[in-house]
Parts: sequence; structure tokens; C-alpha cells
Amino acid sequence: EPEVTQTPSHQVTQMGQEVILRCVPISNHLYFYWYRQILGQKVEFLVSFYNNEISEKSEIFDDQFSVERPDGSNFTLKIRSTKLEDSAMYFCAGDRGLNEKLFFGSGTQLSVL
Amino acid sequence: AQSVTQPDIHITVSEGASLELRCNYSYGATPYLFWYVQSPGQGLQLLLKYFSGDTLVQGIKGFEAEFKRSQSSFNLRKPSVHWSDAAEYFCAVGADTDKLIFGTGTRLQVFP
Repeated sequence: EPEVTQTPSHQVTQMGQEVILRCVPISNHLYFYWYRQILGQKVEFLVSFYNNEISEKSEIFDDQFSVERPDGSNFTLKIRSTKLEDSAMYFCAGDRGLNEKLFFGSGTQLSVL
Repeated sequence: AQSVTQPDIHITVSEGASLELRCNYSYGATPYLFWYVQSPGQGLQLLLKYFSGDTLVQGIKGFEAEFKRSQSSFNLRKPSVHWSDAAEYFCAVGADTDKLIFGTGTRLQVFP
């Protein structure tokens, strides 16, 4: 079965630093998403991305966050100035629409010190 | 408000025993319902989904779930658990396949 690939698997950063989390979606997917899971809490929707623009975002996705798909392949989540509370597992996901299933990556564990 | 509740944080069963993981939801419209499984170091894998039709849904790995509208529930079941089923299980609800609302998860431990 095709996979969504996320790199790195674990990233440690200092508070206030910028981080970029990378995802390589499945090639025929059209819709892309970022979710996150703070330790011990629910998996939360952050943002959806379609046709090279954000289609929906949650209240978590403030001005510190941005997404892009610069080369038509990698799908990135940037956190401009990390805070301690940004520490979480970040999941990339994608699908073709048409009510088909969402494919998730294995996640990037972000630790902000 | 839309929400998903998984009342059991941690469940332990013996291998070969039956399993039922509970999920209750609160959703304004007819929901799409999902169960995902997450093994250590892995991503979220879809076990099964309910969109419409037959309220008993069959999924992968021998799992099934039943949608009960009157109880706002979508419990996951398996008649005989295998050691490889040990993982974290997430129930989710949405209006579509995207922007899912997840429960907090149930960690399943299987003893030989």
C-alpha cells in the first residue's frame, strides 16, 4: 500500500526557533492535511490544503503556522517561532477526495525545549 | 459541540478473548464515523468507516463496528484478539473524510 512519508521522525528545537516539518504525500492525492497530537490528548485538526491554498484551518493554526507545497511534491508545515506548547506529534495526511480514506504518515515528534 | 468520547483509556485483554472498544459521539448532522489504529512508531491506519447503509461495518484485521444512532455510538469489536492487535485505537467523526474530530484514544494491551 502506498505511504505518506514524514521527515524527520523526531525533531528537537529551542523555544523561539523556526522549524519545518516535511511530508511527501502519495502522488495521486489532491487534498493534504496536518494534524497534531499533544501527549495524552486528542488528535487535532490543524489545516487542510487543496489546489495550492489553505481550504480550512482550525483556531490552533495561528499566524505562527504556515503550510506550502513548493515543488508539487513536498508538503511542509512551518512553525515560525516555536513555543513550549507546540511540543506534539504532528501528522501529515492526504487523500484523493471522493470520500476515500485518509492516509496518515507516521508522524514527526516535535520537542520544544 | 461536536465531540468524540472514548471512555476507556486503557484496556487489557488476554489473547483469544473478545474485544469491544467504546465510542460515543456528539454531532449535529449525520456523521461519517471512523476507527483508526496506531501501532508504536507508525501512522494512523484506517480500520473501517461508516458513511451510510448497513450499520454493521466490516473492516480490516477482523474488526467490525456497529453504528447505533439511538445511542450515538460506534463501538469497535473483534471476536478473538491477537497479540499483534496491541496498539492505540482512535474513533473519529466528521462531515467528510477530512477535518476529523478524534477521541482521546484507547490503548489496548494483550496478554498471552
